[in-house]
Amino acid sequence: GESVGLHLPTLSVQEGDNSIINCAYSNSASDYFIWYKQESGKGPQFIIDIRSNMDKRQGQRVTVLLNKTVKHLSLQIAATQPGDSAVYFCAETYTGRRALTFGSGTRLQVQP
Amino acid sequence: GAVVSQHPSRVICKSGTSVKIECRSLDFQATTMFWYRQFPKQSLMLMATSNEGSKATYEQGVEKDKFLINHASLTLSTLTVTSAHPEDSSFYICSARGDGSNQPQHFGDGTRLSIL
Repeated sequence: GESVGLHLPTLSVQEGDNSIINCAYSNSASDYFIWYKQESGKGPQFIIDIRSNMDKRQGQRVTVLLNKTVKHLSLQIAATQPGDSAVYFCAETYTGRRALTFGSGTRLQVQP
Repeated sequence: GAVVSQHPSRVICKSGTSVKIECRSLDFQATTMFWYRQFPKQSLMLMATSNEGSKATYEQGVEKDKFLINHASLTLSTLTVTSAHPEDSSFYICSARGDGSNQPQHFGDGTRLSIL
């Protein structure tokens, strides 16, 4: 569905801590999920993806968890760094649909 | 990795002007490209899906005569905002994906459009 919002929720963490960003989705048919990072004035940058036949996938310093039962997706960033400060969006789609539906986003602020 | 180039990065023009934005996939062929619009502190809203060699598919509420899309090759899609007005001021972002299912979309760096 649409993503609307007048302001972005913000997660503030200390440098070196782990960060967890959450995302809820509503379409039970969604079977492919992506996390993007968007820095100010730039387009979204691909971080990691996961298919619905998995519940966990790891990348470099990032882990995505998928709970299809409650339609919940999370992005975990280990040892958060100042360069991780950005807005993070989850996006979803399903087989047969080419377009993505974006979540409302979370701003991550990393305090040095 | 995959790179999508968008040009120009910023446009400032007078009301009534038509503005063309280009989106290129640099190292892969994209039969499908997407155009999004993003207002400050909000998420990306899909405007239309651009299909190589055929008409674009517009989302509900997006005027196809206002936002003209052309996808003449496998590496280039253009969005023309016709007779732009101040309310069209926004951040426009394109993306492209390779063929095959479950392929991630890769995004350009966006175009900041400001209509005076």
